[in-house]
Amino acid sequence: QSALTQPASVSGSPGQSITISCTGSSSDVGSYNLVSWYQQHPGKAPKLIIFEGSKRPSGVSNRFSGSKSGNTASLTISGLQAEDEADYYCCSYAGSSTSPNWVFGGGTKLAVL
Amino acid sequence: QVHLVQSGAEVKKPGASVRLSCKTSGYTFTNYGITWVRQAPGQGLEWMGWISPYDGDTNYAQNLQGRVTMTTDTSTSTAYMDLRSLRSDDTAVYYCARDFDNRHFDYWGQGTLVTVSS
Repeated sequence: QSALTQPASVSGSPGQSITISCTGSSSDVGSYNLVSWYQQHPGKAPKLIIFEGSKRPSGVSNRFSGSKSGNTASLTISGLQAEDEADYYCCSYAGSSTSPNWVFGGGTKLAVL
Repeated sequence: QVHLVQSGAEVKKPGASVRLSCKTSGYTFTNYGITWVRQAPGQGLEWMGWISPYDGDTNYAQNLQGRVTMTTDTSTSTAYMDLRSLRSDDTAVYYCARDFDNRHFDYWGQGTLVTVSS
């Protein structure tokens, strides 16, 4: 069982917006501004798309945005495109005195219908 | 351009050990940590641990303590991950990733499949 809870799957049509939630606890998501999101296409390595809750790395589309409220982080993808179909994982720092130091969500499969 | 290139797939018997490598380029190796993450077939991501190439400091996930060792070779900008006493549930793709200031993982290797089977 993953430390962070994500929906197993979400879907949307091209051009629509979807939001993926990531629920943790006051020990991880709620305590640190260190939530990141990773996109993973089948057979590929994860790719960083959001860090520190809402920041985008250079080269990542501004259609991807992140936010956090309390113990829940969210990833929103607007203007869905076929290439967005992938698995998405959230990740949060959980503290240096805990193990593991970093926890992931179980992943959400996004289908673009 | 930052690159992390991992060693090839491995097939091991239960009880054996495996050493994976992660050769980096395009940045100053000692300025960033290396994190190892694994993904069992059809499953999510699991943080395994971290090493600082600067001073060799390590931090391992408690469930792997005693079986995992992470090291680096600064002369070749390469990180290594040793996993001992392999079990079938260690079958996974193992990724190395650059750890940006203990804040997120910004570049990833392509992954190494380790299969543990008798």
